[in-house]
Amino acid sequence: EAQVTQNPRYLITVTGKKLTVTCSQNMNHEYMSWYRQDPGLGLRQIYYSMNVEVTDKGDVPEGYKVSRKEKRNFPLILESPSPNQTSLYFCASSLRQGERSPLHFGNGTRLTVT
Amino acid sequence: AQSVTQLGSHVSVSEGALVLLRCNYSSSVPPYLFWYVQYPNQGLQLLLKYTTGATLVKGINGFEAEFKKSETSFHLTKPSAHMSDAAEYFCAVSDTGGFKTIFGAGTRLFVKA
Repeated sequence: EAQVTQNPRYLITVTGKKLTVTCSQNMNHEYMSWYRQDPGLGLRQIYYSMNVEVTDKGDVPEGYKVSRKEKRNFPLILESPSPNQTSLYFCASSLRQGERSPLHFGNGTRLTVT
Repeated sequence: AQSVTQLGSHVSVSEGALVLLRCNYSSSVPPYLFWYVQYPNQGLQLLLKYTTGATLVKGINGFEAEFKKSETSFHLTKPSAHMSDAAEYFCAVSDTGGFKTIFGAGTRLFVKA
């Protein structure tokens, strides 16, 4: 089954404790992206990747890191999480960078930072 | 810069009634527009997309949207609401080059029995 898989689904952590949220897609998509969803703000893009070893900042990149060493994986790293990073996070992928390619989303990771 | 405005954070309709969710966009170039739906505890799923060609776009689950360039709108409609349509709906526009997809704030649809 074609899908985007995120892990974990739920994560509670404390301020400053490094964490990684994994994302993997099995559709051979070139483009991958991370979003955070907050009430009343919709989805805001954190980082995106157009292909292996090619990443760039989205609209809200502060406090996050990403890497794209393999085509299928695009982990999101929070080196020193803070409470304002408490949010619902989504990984998404599309066939290629392009205006016509719709995004395929994972089921989300709900992160709470205390 | 592109932007998307969804009018109404919450919409409530009765089962069987018309569903109308409003979306206006701003774009200096011909836009590529999308509607996504999010069911509870799930990621977003594509409902429909407009790229070029016919301005009336049909999607899944009986939804459709009409692209009106003169009004910079892409409203989503469904003739008859079903309980299973209760979800959050997001309008989105893809920027030139496809680097980013910009989402509206979302509209939560409630369907009353």
